[in-house]
Parts: sequence; structure tokens; C-alpha cells
Amino acid sequence: GESVGLHLPTLSVQEGDNSIINCAYSNSASDYFIWYKQESGKGPQFIIDIRSNMDKRQGQRVTVLLNKTVKHLSLQIAATQPGDSAVYFCAALNSGYSTLTFGKGTMLLVSP
Amino acid sequence: DAGVIQSPRHEVTEMGQEVTLRCKPISGHNSLFWYRQTMMRGLELLIYFNNNVPIDDSGMPEDRFSAKMPNASFSTLKIQPSEPRDSAVYFCASSTGHSSGNTIYFGEGSWLTVV
Repeated sequence: GESVGLHLPTLSVQEGDNSIINCAYSNSASDYFIWYKQESGKGPQFIIDIRSNMDKRQGQRVTVLLNKTVKHLSLQIAATQPGDSAVYFCAALNSGYSTLTFGKGTMLLVSP
Repeated sequence: DAGVIQSPRHEVTEMGQEVTLRCKPISGHNSLFWYRQTMMRGLELLIYFNNNVPIDDSGMPEDRFSAKMPNASFSTLKIQPSEPRDSAVYFCASSTGHSSGNTIYFGEGSWLTVV
């Protein structure tokens, strides 16, 4: 089955720093990956996604990197702001199973 | 777009009572998912529907849990009888399909406490 995990449960950064959140997945058949942000008391919110035929995708202040060789992806947040404080989840999809498997989440704490 | 709408947002009930959680997916989405989130287990998929048909219910914990989707705009998750260990946040989510590239959008969740 799919197993998706995160390297660090909590990441503390200063406002303005760049943040990097890492994620490992176990199923090499995974072909689509999503990063979600979950603020306290709210549902997961889509941030950015990447397909397995790509190794990098950029959004507004966020970049996702995918390394299929080592089954690892990361979320980079540039110029982190206090509003970025939340739990971040990576999720992997194996189209053969048609459902997302979520990692446990990393809490990002941004100090002003 | 109104997003995925869930009700109730919060529910406190006594052990043994029936609980019904409701979901309205985003209009035009034909896949609907029910997830449960706890501190210990994170986000777990309970069941998902495609075109109103249950496709995978292997995540449903036990017979006390049931889910229905009578039409494209409404789904329910029912727990009967409820137990304290069912306390969790239950999320409904929807997407335009169930293959790669179809982003899944979540509702705000139903926070269930069983005492």
C-alpha cells in the first residue's frame, strides 16, 4: 500500500526566512502529488500539485520539488509570513487506486 | 463557488446516539470522499463515491458506519450507535474525477465529540 511520511513534525522559522518542508513516499507507482495547508479549525486547503512527469513546479511564493529516484518531495515557501503558520500535508495518488494517501503533517510555526 | 459544504460544523452527542453528518459537494464534481482526522491517525479515507456509486469503502471502520449518496449534490455519513472513540473531525471532499490531476477540495469539517 501507499505510505506517505514527513521528516519533521514541527518546523519553526522566522518571518522572512525561506521554509522547506519535506515528504517521503513509498509507492513508486504514485504519479500525482499535492500539498495541502490546514489552518486551525479549518479543512485542508490545496496549495500546489505536481505530476510525476515533472520535477519542479512553482506557484506564488511556493515551489514543489519532486525527486522520483529517492521518492521524495518538498515544499518550499519563500519569504515565510506569520499567515503561513499551519500544518502542511503532502498527499500522494496512485491512479490505480484513485485515492489520495496523506502524510501525518508538519506544523510550520512562523515567528514575527 | 461555495466550496464543499458540511453540516453540522460541531456536534456533541452521547454514546449510543445516532450521528448523521451531511455534505454538499462542489457543483459539477462527480467524486466525493469522506475522511476522518484524528491526532493519532491523521487523515484517513473512509469511503469514496464516483457518480454517486460507492467505489471503495474499505476505510469504513465497522458496521456502525454507513454512507450514502442519493444524488450528485448530497451525501451523508451516519454513525449508529456512536462511541467515544468516534470523536474526530470528519471531512467531506470532492473532485471532478478520481484520477491524477483532479484536485480534491475539502470542506471545513464536522467536529464530532461523543461523550
